[in-house]
Amino acid sequence: GQQVMQIPQYQHVQEGEDFTTYCNSSTTLSNIQWYKQRPGGHPVFLIQLVKSGEVKKQKRLTFQFGEAKKNSSLHITATQTTDVGTYFCAGPNTGGFKTIFGAGTRLFVKA
Amino acid sequence: NAGVTQTPKFQVLKTGQSMTLQCAQDMNHEYMSWYRQDPGMGLRLIHYSVGAGITDQGEVPNGYNVSRSTTEDFPLRLLSAAPSQTSVYFCASSYDNPRTLLDGYTFGSGTRLTVV
Repeated sequence: GQQVMQIPQYQHVQEGEDFTTYCNSSTTLSNIQWYKQRPGGHPVFLIQLVKSGEVKKQKRLTFQFGEAKKNSSLHITATQTTDVGTYFCAGPNTGGFKTIFGAGTRLFVKA
Repeated sequence: NAGVTQTPKFQVLKTGQSMTLQCAQDMNHEYMSWYRQDPGMGLRLIHYSVGAGITDQGEVPNGYNVSRSTTEDFPLRLLSAAPSQTSVYFCASSYDNPRTLLDGYTFGSGTRLTVV
């Protein structure tokens, strides 16, 4: 079945270092979403990408959607302790009525 | 505007018991879904609904039932609880279905279920 894979599973960084998580789908996606979940919390929607090669920025966060619309990345510049949590990518299945989530990348930031 | 409300927040069940996890949204969202979250496995879709009266299975539907009698409510029923159903359950809603989604899902705060 359709799969959405994320790497790495965990990342430890020193505050101020950059961080990147990668998302790869086994099929072409019509859109891809990114969510952040703080420890003990619920996923919160960050952004959606729709166009091939699209790049969007939110302050220190940069999101990219691959040309083939099968992969995506989230890059955080100069991490802060407030960035800790798990970052998920998600996309619709081929039929379009189910959203498949990646397993997430958990970010730890050491002050 | 409360968003997506889930109750209860915590629950302990004995094997074989049944219960209903409640989910309600006040945003007039047509699409609602239930996910379970287990360590290292991300969010897995249990059931979803594209509107009142319409439900369908997700990736892991066995042992769970849903109904959607109103736009606002989407309860999840555990028929006979098993230890493998120990998990955190999230309800999520959106205006559109996943293919035409514009603003992502709004998640509830979750129900932490332990089956002993």
